[in-house]
Amino acid sequence: QKEVEQNSGPLSVPEGAIASLNCTYSDRGSQSFFWYRQYSGKSPELIMSIYSNGDKEDGRFTAQLNKASQYVSLLIRDSQPSDSATYLCAVTPAGGTSYGKLTFGQGTILTVHP
Amino acid sequence: DVKVTQSSRYLVKRTGEKVFLECVQDMDHENMFWYRQDPGLGLRLIYFSYDVKMKEKGDIPEGYSVSREKKERFSLILESASTNQTSMYLCASRTTNTGELFFGEGSRLTVL
Repeated sequence: QKEVEQNSGPLSVPEGAIASLNCTYSDRGSQSFFWYRQYSGKSPELIMSIYSNGDKEDGRFTAQLNKASQYVSLLIRDSQPSDSATYLCAVTPAGGTSYGKLTFGQGTILTVHP
Repeated sequence: DVKVTQSSRYLVKRTGEKVFLECVQDMDHENMFWYRQDPGLGLRLIYFSYDVKMKEKGDIPEGYSVSREKKERFSLILESASTNQTSMYLCASRTTNTGELFFGEGSRLTVL
């Protein structure tokens, strides 16, 4: 089992719709969770971080964390063509020191069509 | 804003050459990382450093070495480049309080 799993997609949604991206992780003690967006040929860009159960909203983005079920999701409301990218889920494992490395999922390709 | 700068965006080298990839961050972060990213394989950690002159192997350190002589600078060295090291190389630095990782723009290396 991979440590961090994402549906590779591609996920295709129409403009204006809600895009839902999901991520599961295997280490039950994981503490910190991040979503990165990566445009083709570019480096990953941090868009959301979440550390406790529940929802965290930032503009059109909402991150949801459920530690009991070991999943974290990202909702993108009012999706725009400019949201078309690969979305990477990243997790800090349990027992990580202050310099603990992140584990990344393989990424989900999102396409928003006009 | 956090700034992570990689010295070279695109490099073309020949097999057997020594290659230096430089990375500088301006946020006084203790932790710095080198990843490579390949289609279908995702991001793979090569080395990381948690302090000056300190380093730890990541998941795929073979064929690479690193140097961190100053806090803001983390260098990746390919002692003898090989064609299977053709890849996108990403440097990142990390806050210790939030754990957020910030990436440089990447260096695309082609080894012929």
